[in-house]
Amino acid sequence: QLQLQESGPGPVKPSETLSLTCTVSGGSISSSSYHWGWIRQPPGKGLEWIGSIYYSGSTYYNPSLKSRVTISVDTSKNQFSLKLSSVTAADTAVYYCARLQAGATSFDYWGQGTLVTVSS
Amino acid sequence: QTVVTQEPSFSVSPGGTVTLTCGLSSGSVSTSYYPSWYQQTPGQAPRTLIYSTNTRSSGVPDRFSGSILGNKAALTITGAQADDESDYYCVLYMGSGIVIFGGGTKLTVL
Repeated sequence: QLQLQESGPGPVKPSETLSLTCTVSGGSISSSSYHWGWIRQPPGKGLEWIGSIYYSGSTYYNPSLKSRVTISVDTSKNQFSLKLSSVTAADTAVYYCARLQAGATSFDYWGQGTLVTVSS
Repeated sequence: QTVVTQEPSFSVSPGGTVTLTCGLSSGSVSTSYYPSWYQQTPGQAPRTLIYSTNTRSSGVPDRFSGSILGNKAALTITGAQADDESDYYCVLYMGSGIVIFGGGTKLTVL
């Protein structure tokens, strides 16, 4: 059974860079059939797609966040990562990693999510 | 800026049928947008219900169905149960690796 687990260093200060890693188990991140993505959900609000990556390194970003987002993949560790720069309180959210099905059109497996708080 | 629209809230009686919709601020939703649907209860990660318009994800009961109704994607729940009370999100694929979430519908079963 595929499992995804988010991890990160904890609270982030305003203007700093948020960094998260998603570790994939029970399947290979190098599969040609899937993409891998990040989604976030501010407290009490809806879901927002941040971006996605293919194992080859091809990336796709939400245009509204593109200038601040970098997603990368480490196939040797079966992990992919998110960096979001110049964070503000508005970036406080639960961050989910997920697998996208072939063609990157929809999500099928989700991590449990991790709350990242931006505060001084 | 493309916006994916959903009803903010909806209510259904136990055993009843409800149809939630997913539209576009400009234009019509078709199968080319590969609409998908997700269920989320408070404090939990989303659960995939439907993908590619009408394909149920593994383990999803057949009382959940997806379709295109007019110019929108639709999620129909037949025989609503108390534990269907959740937030429901649709996602549309815009091409070039871009997906957009709808704002979500809060479904109450009462």
